[in-house]
Amino acid sequence: SQKIEQNSEALNIQEGKTATLTCNYTNYSPAYLQWYRQDPGRGPVFLLLIRENEKEKRKERLKVTFDTTLKQSLFHITASQPADSATYLCALNSGSARQLTFGSGTQLTVLP
Amino acid sequence: DAGVIQSPRHEVTEMGQEVTLRCKPISGHNSLFWYRQTMMRGLELLIYFNNNVPIDDSGMPEDRFSAKMPNASFSTLKIQPSEPRDSAVYFCASSLGGRQGYYEQYFGPGTRLTVT
Repeated sequence: SQKIEQNSEALNIQEGKTATLTCNYTNYSPAYLQWYRQDPGRGPVFLLLIRENEKEKRKERLKVTFDTTLKQSLFHITASQPADSATYLCALNSGSARQLTFGSGTQLTVLP
Repeated sequence: DAGVIQSPRHEVTEMGQEVTLRCKPISGHNSLFWYRQTMMRGLELLIYFNNNVPIDDSGMPEDRFSAKMPNASFSTLKIQPSEPRDSAVYFCASSLGGRQGYYEQYFGPGTRLTVT
């Protein structure tokens, strides 16, 4: 069956460290993968998109990698700050290119 | 742009009542998505429209759920009759889907539905 797994439900790290979140998938062949941030009581907000033919994408302190052989994406936040505390969701397209299936999310807490 | 607008933000209703959730997508976006989010099941796609036409409604739980998009600037999700298990946060999202549909989705603030 198709499955998207994010490494853990919760991750606590110290301010200034690099946070690494994992997204693994099975029985999908996504053309692209996206990462979203969700704060309590709000809708998800798009952060980054990476295509199947791209290995790495960066945006400011964020970096995403995509390994279609391992069927895995890693999401890094460098020099983390308490304001980065949120739930991070990975999503990949399934079926139609427009449809996204979301993972269950990882709740990141950056401790001051 | 005001972003995706959803109403109401909160809805409390009794079992058996009809519930209508509303969404106004971002102007110019041609794809619209309805999601449901619960702690147990996470964020689930219910239905999506492209150019006002329903493309895939395989995520709609059952016949009690229906969705319409009469024009490019308005969509509704209706539950009739509502049941306690429908309690969740319902999100609407819109996207400017290009030929290959890679574009990101913009989510509204959600409607928190409680069915008692």
